[in-house]
Amino acid sequence: SQTIHQWPATLVQPVGSPLSLECTVEGTSNPNLYWYRQAAGRGLQLLFYSVGIGQISSEVPQNLSASRPQDRQFILSSKKLLLSDSGFYLCAWTITGGTDTQYFGPGTRLTVL
Amino acid sequence: GDSVTQMEGPVTLSEEAFLTINCTYTATGYPSLFWYVQYPGEGLQLLLKATKADDKGSNKGFEATYRKETTSFHLEKGSVQVSDSAVYFCALGYTGRRALTFGSGTRLQVQP
Repeated sequence: SQTIHQWPATLVQPVGSPLSLECTVEGTSNPNLYWYRQAAGRGLQLLFYSVGIGQISSEVPQNLSASRPQDRQFILSSKKLLLSDSGFYLCAWTITGGTDTQYFGPGTRLTVL
Repeated sequence: GDSVTQMEGPVTLSEEAFLTINCTYTATGYPSLFWYVQYPGEGLQLLLKATKADDKGSNKGFEATYRKETTSFHLEKGSVQVSDSAVYFCALGYTGRRALTFGSGTRLQVQP
């Protein structure tokens, strides 16, 4: 069966510091991968999606970036965090070209102080 | 474009009460419809889905019927439990498209 991991689970970072969040998927090959952000008490905002290694599409202009160095690894980064980057970051995957159902990881709660 | 509208929360119910969470959508095509559930501090879990008009998705006592004529996908459960307390998200999506479109979520609080 497929599983999706995210780490760290929680993170507290000062404004201006760098960020690296990691997501990995097991049990499937060539998945589509997604990064969402959920601000406190609000819905989900799609940040990035990837259909393959090195292929990243950005949905919202911001100071975040994403990379996909391996087939089942998706990384969310920032060079300098802003207060507005605080939130709950969720990684998700779906089968390439197949079902529309997305499966989510456990999330990373980021607090920028 | 596509959009999903959910009823405002929180919804507060007593244990064993009947639950309805309203969801309506606008879509440019013929999407699949989903309900996801998010327990405190966790990621989203797929609760149920329906892929075409008149389909009924069901899981763990929850049900939702894809109503094309009213563009709705309301979530129902006959008897809620305290353990059902969570945030529920309605969403739509298309096979091969880039992402799902989510509603803003509805928080359910079930009191003993």
